[in-house]
Amino acid sequence: GAGVSQSPSNKVTEKGKDVELRCDPISGHTALYWYRQRLGQGLEFLIYFQGNSAPDKSGLPSDRFSAERTGESVSTLTIQRTQQEDSAVYLCASSLGVIYRTDTQYFGPGTRLTVL
Amino acid sequence: DAKTTQPTSMDCAEGRAANLPCNHSTISGNEYVYWYRQIHSQGPQYIIHGLKNNETNEMASLIITEDRKSSTLILPHATLRDTAVYYCIVRVGDYKLSFGAGTTVTVRA
Repeated sequence: GAGVSQSPSNKVTEKGKDVELRCDPISGHTALYWYRQRLGQGLEFLIYFQGNSAPDKSGLPSDRFSAERTGESVSTLTIQRTQQEDSAVYLCASSLGVIYRTDTQYFGPGTRLTVL
Repeated sequence: DAKTTQPTSMDCAEGRAANLPCNHSTISGNEYVYWYRQIHSQGPQYIIHGLKNNETNEMASLIITEDRKSSTLILPHATLRDTAVYYCIVRVGDYKLSFGAGTTVTVRA
């Protein structure tokens, strides 16, 4: 079946511009996650959605970052006034839902963001 | 979550089985062992997970010792496309995934 998809796959932007990153989770997955991975680094948790609600936004680095999810499906991560330190791969994952003890997260291919 | 220890790197010949060890001596009774891998420039890929029993799927087998203090991921017939960093983690319910350094597996022709 279809996995998690993300778009665009690559995004190059100029410092100060806004960007929107999109994630389409696996159909039927109620939980959705955004992570960031800088070059050569580990996963950095950003935000978690259960349905359309975000009970945990603790990983968002600043108020320039926001995310929403609609229809318990597509999610958009928006970065306003991008800075060079925002350059990274932004990964989306989805899962059935955290009520399941073995809630397995499946990742998308990521969006590589480069801020010039 | 319990910490895991994996070798930094290992080589494997194409077509042979690759056995990737992982130590998790402080694992709790309700924590699962999960394996992911990350091929260069791609998102992490789920491989397999288990609690006590050995598990097998189309990608790999997971062998967990009886005391659950260690496990081995087996790729039965490694191909060049299996070259990746392999991560072993133990978790229960924690949705904030984090990976350690993992094992860099290089499959050679």
